[in-house]
Parts: sequence; C-alpha cells; structure tokens
Amino acid sequence: GENVEQHPSTLSVQEGDSAVIKCTYSDSASNYFPWYKQELGKGPQLIIDIRSNVGEKKDQRIAVTLNKTAKHFSLHITETQPEDSAVYFCAASNTGNQFYFGTGTSLTVIP
Amino acid sequence: DTAVSQTPKYLVTQMGNDKSIKCEQNLGHDTMYWYKQDSKKFLKIMFSYNNKELIINETVPNRFSPKSPDKAHLNLHINSLELGDSAVYFCASSLAGTGTETQYFGPGTRLLVL
Repeated sequence: GENVEQHPSTLSVQEGDSAVIKCTYSDSASNYFPWYKQELGKGPQLIIDIRSNVGEKKDQRIAVTLNKTAKHFSLHITETQPEDSAVYFCAASNTGNQFYFGTGTSLTVIP
Repeated sequence: DTAVSQTPKYLVTQMGNDKSIKCEQNLGHDTMYWYKQDSKKFLKIMFSYNNKELIINETVPNRFSPKSPDKAHLNLHINSLELGDSAVYFCASSLAGTGTETQYFGPGTRLLVL
C-alpha cells in the first residue's frame, strides 16, 4: 500500500512569513494529492489539491508543487496570518478510492 | 446547512459497552467513509462504502461495523468497547468514491472509553 511521510510535525512562523510543509509518497500509481486543514475541534477541510498531470497549483496565498519523479509534493503558504494556525494534512490517492494521509503538521503563526 | 453531520459530538462510556455513532450527508454523494484519528492526530481510514461495495481496512477489529440504511447515512457500531478505542471518529463523503475527488468531513465524534 501507499506510505505518505510528512515533515515537519510542528512549525512555528512569524506572522507574514512563509510556511512550507513537505510530503513524500511511495506508490507511483498515486495521482491525486489533496491538502487538508484541520482547525481545533473540527473536521479536516480541503484547502487545495493537485493532480499528477500538473506540477504546480496556486490559490491566493496557498500553492502546492508536485515532483512526480521524486515522489514528493509540498504546500506553501505565503504571508501567513494567525488564522492559518491549524494542523495540515497531506494525502495521496489513486483511483482505488482510498486516501492515505500524512501524519500532520501543526502550524502556529505567531502574531 | 451542515453538509456532513455526526451525532453525538461527545461520547463517554465504559469498557465492554456497545455504542453507535451516526453520520448523515446531504450532499447527494454516493460514497461515505469512517476515519479514526488517534491522540497523535494520525488519520486512518476504517471503511469506505457506497451502495455497491464495502471496503474494510484489514486492521480494523471486527467489533467495528458500518451500517448504511440509505445512501445518505453511514452509522458506525462498536461492540465490546476497549480503552484503545478512545479517539476521534470522523465520517466523510465524496461524490463517487473514485479516490481522486474531494472528501467532505464531518465535525467528528470524540469517544472516551473508561
């Protein structure tokens, strides 16, 4: 099965700085890579995703990059704000209808 | 309106008891899921289910069983609860269950087994 590793497990940044979270996956058949944000006491919510035929995708302050050859993908958050503080999960999936989640990154944005 | 809802939000019970968690989605999705999130925040799939197929993660004890009265509901029954079952359980749904589409999560049920 798929194995997704995520780093770092915790990340603290000053407000306005950038944050980068990295994930690697093992199954070359994986072709869908979503990122979820989980706020305290809530369920995970999709913030951005990327498919294997795309190398980069951006949505306002959030961007995701994918390197299929190296089997890694990253989440980039620019101009961080306190409300970005949450746990972020990467995931990898293929048409087998199962998501394999990373172990999560707890991001703290310090005002 | 809440897209994916779960009840109860909190559940405290004794070891050995049997309990159920309910999940409903009003998105018209075909596939629903149950995840377990442990104390280290690790999210692990337990089941995925649509009206055709139930896929069970082989590591899930058979004390756990999903039951779907209709397409909009997937309830989780847990028999003979153990201390290690304490966790947050999330229900989720997706349109067709292809594995390459957004999954929408409920707010979670926090289960504590004493």
